[in-house]
Amino acid sequence: RKEVEQDPGPFNVPEGATVAFNCTYSNSASQSFFWYRQDCRKEPKLLMSVYSSGNEDGRFTAQLNRASQYISLLIRDSKLSDSATYLCVVTQTSGNTPLVFGKGTRLSVIA
Amino acid sequence: GAVVSQHPSRVICKSGTSVKIECRSLDFQATTMFWYRQFPKKSLMLMATSNEGSKATYEQGVEKDKFLINHASLTLSTLTVTSAHPEDSSFYICSARDPRGYGYTFGSGTRLTVV
Repeated sequence: RKEVEQDPGPFNVPEGATVAFNCTYSNSASQSFFWYRQDCRKEPKLLMSVYSSGNEDGRFTAQLNRASQYISLLIRDSKLSDSATYLCVVTQTSGNTPLVFGKGTRLSVIA
Repeated sequence: GAVVSQHPSRVICKSGTSVKIECRSLDFQATTMFWYRQFPKKSLMLMATSNEGSKATYEQGVEKDKFLINHASLTLSTLTVTSAHPEDSSFYICSARDPRGYGYTFGSGTRLTVV
């Protein structure tokens, strides 16, 4: 079983749509959770951290369910510029440990 | 925020040659640098963890004699792909955690093509 699993996608949605991505992680020792965005042939960029209480940043909302080991990302009012690959990422402790990446979910927002 | 400079951004080399990739932390000291590899349409896979002043830790299946890592200072880590083959063609990227609390930062990546 892979450590971080995501919906494979691709998701093709019209502008203005709401889209949700899901992710599960297998390591119960995971402590920190993130969503990253990666554009084609570029490095990943942090979109947002994910907290148990849930958090929102503009059109983006992230949720974490530790009991189910499940993470989600909701994007409202999709923009063309949201087209990218969204990576679910976890790390084991709050110390200096590497990030573990999901395979990513490709989103294409269509005009 | 934290900045990691990685170069070269793109390199094409012949089979059998070696390629060195450098990552420098510009405004913080990186005692640890993580090296990842990403094949097309695949996730970033951790190759190794480099530690300043000591030997790197390699993930299972990564040949330490082929992927030489040197972390000689608190601001520089290098990855050398030795005797490169076409199957080594990939996107290589480094990452470090800024101890000042800015989280993880990535280099801009190196796209290696071995012909």
